[in-house]
Amino acid sequence: DAGVIQSPRHEVTEMGQEVTLRCKPISGHNSLFWYRQTMMRGLELLIYFNNNVPIDDSGMPEDRFSAKMPNASFSTLKIQPSEPRDSAVYFCASSLGDDKTQYFGPGTRLLVL
Amino acid sequence: AQRVTQPEKLLSVFKGAPVELKCNYSYSGSPELFWYVQYSRQRLQLLLRHISRESIKGFTADLNKGETSFHLKKPFAQEEDSAMYYCALIMVELIWGLGTSLAVNP
Repeated sequence: DAGVIQSPRHEVTEMGQEVTLRCKPISGHNSLFWYRQTMMRGLELLIYFNNNVPIDDSGMPEDRFSAKMPNASFSTLKIQPSEPRDSAVYFCASSLGDDKTQYFGPGTRLLVL
Repeated sequence: AQRVTQPEKLLSVFKGAPVELKCNYSYSGSPELFWYVQYSRQRLQLLLRHISRESIKGFTADLNKGETSFHLKKPFAQEEDSAMYYCALIMVELIWGLGTSLAVNP
């Protein structure tokens, strides 16, 4: 298995533009997590899905952020409109069943100018 | 509230010296704890979890319920151990510490 796949790996955009981050979890995993990592705040859970259903989105900063999981093998995190303070590394992780070990993707490094 | 505390943001040691990365948690139930490692600009990787009681890359961590701690230890640090280390407590989701950056100097 290739592990969790994220795209793009790097994204540079201008303030106000829409940004879409993509994640493919490990095949067979039924939980998916989106995290944001910054120097100031460390690792923050934004939202997680279980069996494609959003369970907890309390970490989503504001309405500009939205996440979807249309099927078991794909999820998106969208920021619209983007702002410079959204600059961070965004990680996706997945896990299987009762095994709480999360497997992380390589991250998307986002820079909003 | 459930919380994970890593008191040291940065820990610097010399190669060959012992290392201890501290992690304290607050949780009223029976905790399940992890250590993750992130090498420079790479993804987070599971280093170890307390239920497996493994030693990975020479690292060990023992759960001390009396002190509510799960400190990560290695007797002899290597330069390749330089990385960011995160302690995490599992509930429905993982509760993360802020991480400790370990620098092993030659």
